[in-house]
Amino acid sequence: GAVVSQHPSRVICKSGTSVKIECRSLDFQATTMFWYRQFPKQSLMLMATSNEGSKATYEQGVEKDKFLINHASLTLSTLTVTSAHPEDSSFYICSARVPRQGWTNSPLHFGNGTRLTVT
Amino acid sequence: AQSVTQLDSHVSVSEGTPVLLRCNYSSSYSPSLFWYVQHPNKGLQLLLKYTSAATLVKGINGFEAEFKKSETSFHLTKPSAHMSDAAEYFCVVSDGGNQFYFGTGTSLTVIP
Repeated sequence: GAVVSQHPSRVICKSGTSVKIECRSLDFQATTMFWYRQFPKQSLMLMATSNEGSKATYEQGVEKDKFLINHASLTLSTLTVTSAHPEDSSFYICSARVPRQGWTNSPLHFGNGTRLTVT
Repeated sequence: AQSVTQLDSHVSVSEGTPVLLRCNYSSSYSPSLFWYVQHPNKGLQLLLKYTSAATLVKGINGFEAEFKKSETSFHLTKPSAHMSDAAEYFCVVSDGGNQFYFGTGTSLTVIP
């Protein structure tokens, strides 16, 4: 159980175009999902917290107009990288938690990530 | 405030020998602690979690970790390394809400 599916796994796009990445919780409903960016040989950097039915909460320094997040249903959050540039090339990962009583010990479940390359 | 320190950025072991990946945390509350493994170009997979029910936690693939409050540590161990264990490992602490704090990761190399 607790499977998070992320699509696509790889995408190459041209500079100036937009790319959409999908994150789905397959066997549970996720009111909250998280989007991370990971640079080579580094840890995960939280970009934003996606909330179903409301606006995402962005971390300091993350441009909300560039990284559009939509969480329109309890099983789907999308991240759109708008007007992509080569410096946006990175590994993007989403995660979600299974809602249950006693959130304290509920771990994050991660998608398999998306490798974005902007040429 | 919560934070996580993974003491070794890189660990190298021979196949069949024990693995020790170290993690120390700081927390103002009773923390939730997790270990994740990441293989190249993949997401993170949960190895084990500390639930406060038992200080010695057993996880998947033969890994276990011991929560030591007095030492604020949550080290990950495995008695015998396998080639497939070569990966990046992350120690994560949570405040119980939506805040998760990631360690900088430890890269494990297994030498045949």
